[in-house]
Amino acid sequence: GNSVTQMEGPVTLSEEAFLTINCTYTATGYPSLFWYVQYPGEGLQLLLKATKADDKGSNKGFEATYRKETTSFHLEKGSVQVSDSAVYFCALSGGGSNYKLTFGKGTLLTVNP
Amino acid sequence: SQTIHQWPATLVQPVGSPLSLECTVEGTSNPNLYWYRQAAGRGLQLLFYSVGIGQISSEVPQNLSASRPQDRQFILSSKKLLLSDSGFYLCAWSGHVGGNTEAFFGQGTRLTVV
Repeated sequence: GNSVTQMEGPVTLSEEAFLTINCTYTATGYPSLFWYVQYPGEGLQLLLKATKADDKGSNKGFEATYRKETTSFHLEKGSVQVSDSAVYFCALSGGGSNYKLTFGKGTLLTVNP
Repeated sequence: SQTIHQWPATLVQPVGSPLSLECTVEGTSNPNLYWYRQAAGRGLQLLFYSVGIGQISSEVPQNLSASRPQDRQFILSSKKLLLSDSGFYLCAWSGHVGGNTEAFFGQGTRLTVV
């Protein structure tokens, strides 16, 4: 079946530091890949997505590239802010499991001023 | 535009009491609907999903059940809550286009069983 593996953290950075959160996946077929963000006490919000190989999703300074050859979808941001502190989830849908989303375990990011 | 409503936002229930959490979606028809639980820590566990009225699939055996009485209504229930049912419950919906589509989440219900 489908699976997503992401670095669990926690990750603690200083403001304006570079961020990378690694995500790799296992899936049959051609899944779509997503990054979701969860701020404290809230539901998940879609941060960015990519639907085919070599696509780059980007939003709010975050970006991730769909790498089929390495089955990866790493999240990056060049300069993090305190307001980026949240839990980040990598996810996939489609492929062998059709519509169901499969999530990684989440990575807690804390950005200090 | 599509919106998803989930209530209540917080709930404190005694052990052995019943549970009913409701989720409704507006602005779309025939959505896929999901219930997730986020226990202590951050991981998300898919509990139930539904592709249509009356069609419920359970991902894990547990003390909970789900129903979909209307196209855009999804209900999570329990007859007798356990302490282990405490957690953050999230409802979500997605479309059907090609099976490759993102899910949109409600704001969640924080359930504490005491």
